[in-house]
Amino acid sequence: GENVEQHPSTLSVQEGDSAVIKCTYSDSASNYFPWYKQELGKGPQLIIDIRSNVGEKKDQRIAVTLNKTAKHFSLHITETQPEDSAVYFCAANEKLTFGTGTRLTIIP
Amino acid sequence: KAGVTQTPRYLIKTRGQQVTLSCSPISGHRSVSWYQQTPGQGLQFLFEYFSETQRNKGNFPGRFSGRQFSNSRSEMNVSTLELGDSALYLCASSQIPGLADYNEQFFGPGTRLTVL
Repeated sequence: GENVEQHPSTLSVQEGDSAVIKCTYSDSASNYFPWYKQELGKGPQLIIDIRSNVGEKKDQRIAVTLNKTAKHFSLHITETQPEDSAVYFCAANEKLTFGTGTRLTIIP
Repeated sequence: KAGVTQTPRYLIKTRGQQVTLSCSPISGHRSVSWYQQTPGQGLQFLFEYFSETQRNKGNFPGRFSGRQFSNSRSEMNVSTLELGDSALYLCASSQIPGLADYNEQFFGPGTRLTVL
């Protein structure tokens, strides 16, 4: 079945710096890769996604890149702000598999 | 438009008991998925329902079951509770089954289950 690995499990960055979270997947049939943000006491919320026929997608300070050959995709957050502090999950659509999450802390 | 609602938000049970959790999807959404979230295992897929039929099932024991009603509301049941069942149970709804860019999945706030 599908296996999605996510690194790092925790990440602390200075406000204004960039943060990068990486995921690898195993099922080559996966063709859709969403990223979710989960704030304390809330359910995960979709922040950006990418399809397998696209290499990169941007939405303001957030971008996702996909390398199908290597089966990995990454979330990039630039100019980080305190409200970016949360747990971030990657996912692959086959078997609705999620990564184990990255707790991102932005240091003011 | 109201979001996904889950009841109850918090629940405390003892080992051996059973529990039923409820999820009301966003109006018009016909697919409901359930996930278990724990610090050690992260988000794990339990099952997915569409039009009152279970379409997909994760790797969980038979003690975990669910159902969906004709109004798309869904319930999940855990029988013979174990300490390891303590977790946040999340429900998500979408218009149709599966994850896709044309089919965003919206999560509820979850039910925090504690098994003593």
